[in-house]
Amino acid sequence: ILNVEQSPQSLHVQEGDSTNFTCSFPSSNFYALHWYRWETAKSPEALFVMTLNGDEKKKGRISATLNTKEGYSYLYIKGSQPEDSATYLCAWDTGRRALTFGSGTRLQVQP
Amino acid sequence: GAVVSQHPSWVICKSGTSVKIECRSLDFQATTMFWYRQFPKQSLMLMATSNEGSKATYEQGVEKDKFLINHASLTLSTLTVTSAHPEDSSFYICSATGETQYFGPGTRLLVL
Repeated sequence: ILNVEQSPQSLHVQEGDSTNFTCSFPSSNFYALHWYRWETAKSPEALFVMTLNGDEKKKGRISATLNTKEGYSYLYIKGSQPEDSATYLCAWDTGRRALTFGSGTRLQVQP
Repeated sequence: GAVVSQHPSWVICKSGTSVKIECRSLDFQATTMFWYRQFPKQSLMLMATSNEGSKATYEQGVEKDKFLINHASLTLSTLTVTSAHPEDSSFYICSATGETQYFGPGTRLLVL
């Protein structure tokens, strides 16, 4: 079984702190790596789709990097705000479009 | 952005009954949709791939006669949990293929 691992499982930070999470995935059969932001009772929101080794993508205060050779991706949030509180999921895509998910990092930002 | 709806959002049923869950792509067409489920403290796990106009393909360990999938149009896929039992209690979520995978909000099923 090829697993996707995310760490940490949960994180509590203060408003204004910067934070980062890790996603590790199999480096074989790589097509893309997806990051989602998932708030309770809502649909997971697509943040990034990353395909190329060395990719770095940014959306506002959130950015992500990708290393396909060693099989990891980092998600960074600069100056966390309470509205950033959510579960952040990464998912490994082998090209068959179905995704293999990690168990997520639950972020809680205290005002 | 692309929106996927799912209905119902939660359902409680008695053991032995069947439950139907609908997944709709509201502003785009999707030839392929996926069904996932999530048990407590676990990851989202792929159950099956739903293809418009053809039979669904199921992941290993998922019973196709228990989890009936119908993808009769480019905007609707349904998952029917037949003769549900307490061990089927889970969170079921669908996704539809657009520019990326767009997810519905999920359905929480509790079988008593």
